[in-house]
Amino acid sequence: QKEVEQDPGPLSVPEGAIVSLNCTYSNSAFQYFMWYRQYSRKGPELLMYTYSSGNKEDGRFTAQVDKSSKYISLFIRDSQPSDSATYLCAMSVPSGGYQKVTFGTGTKLQVIP
Amino acid sequence: DAGVTQSPTHLIKTRGQQVTLRCSPKSGHDTVSWYQQALGQGPQFIFQYYEEEERQRGNFPDRFSGHQFPNYSSELNVNALLLGDSALYLCASREGVRTGIDTQYFGPGTRLTVL
Repeated sequence: QKEVEQDPGPLSVPEGAIVSLNCTYSNSAFQYFMWYRQYSRKGPELLMYTYSSGNKEDGRFTAQVDKSSKYISLFIRDSQPSDSATYLCAMSVPSGGYQKVTFGTGTKLQVIP
Repeated sequence: DAGVTQSPTHLIKTRGQQVTLRCSPKSGHDTVSWYQQALGQGPQFIFQYYEEEERQRGNFPDRFSGHQFPNYSSELNVNALLLGDSALYLCASREGVRTGIDTQYFGPGTRLTVL
C-alpha cells in the first residue's frame, strides 16, 4: 500500500463548476499537508499548506484535512480554464530533524470553457 | 528575480551512459533538493544538499550522486543509465533545511530520455 493515494483522473469539468480533489494517506505521523499545482512542462508550485484538521481558505481554493479519517481535499470554486493542470497532494513527516515529503501521483484537471 | 533554473531542458542518452544535470537555486536560497518524476507519477525525493553536503537521501541507488558548489548551485549525476531512469528530473530550492513547512520552489525540470 502506498503511503499517499490520489486518484489520477483525468477530471473534466465545465467552467464555473466546483472541483473536489482528494487524497488518502496511511501514515498517521504526517505533520504538514500541501497541495501543489503543476502545469504541463513546468515544475510544481505550492498552492496551499496546512498542518491541522479543518479548513483553510485562500481565494477560490479551500484545503481540508481530516486526520481522523486520514483524508485531505482541495476544493476549487468557480473553476477557470486557467486552473487546468495536474494537482499534487504532498505530506511531510519529521525525519532526523528534517521534513521528509511524500507526493501523491497527481490528479489531472481540465476545465472546459 | 530569477527563480530556480535547470539545464539542459531535454536530454537523450543510451543505456549505460552517464549524465549530469545542473540546477541554480532561487536567489537567497541555500538548500537544493532533487526529485525524479516518472510519467504519470508524483515527484520522488532523491536527495538534498545544504552547505555542500548531502543531508538527506531517498530510496535511490548509489548510481545517483550529487554535488553542491559554494555558490549553492548543484549537479545531479546518474551513472550506468537504465531505461527506467527516463523521467523529468526536478530541482527545488529553499532557504535553510530545518524549517517547519516544505516551502520550496521547483524549477521547470530536465526531461531525460534513455534509449
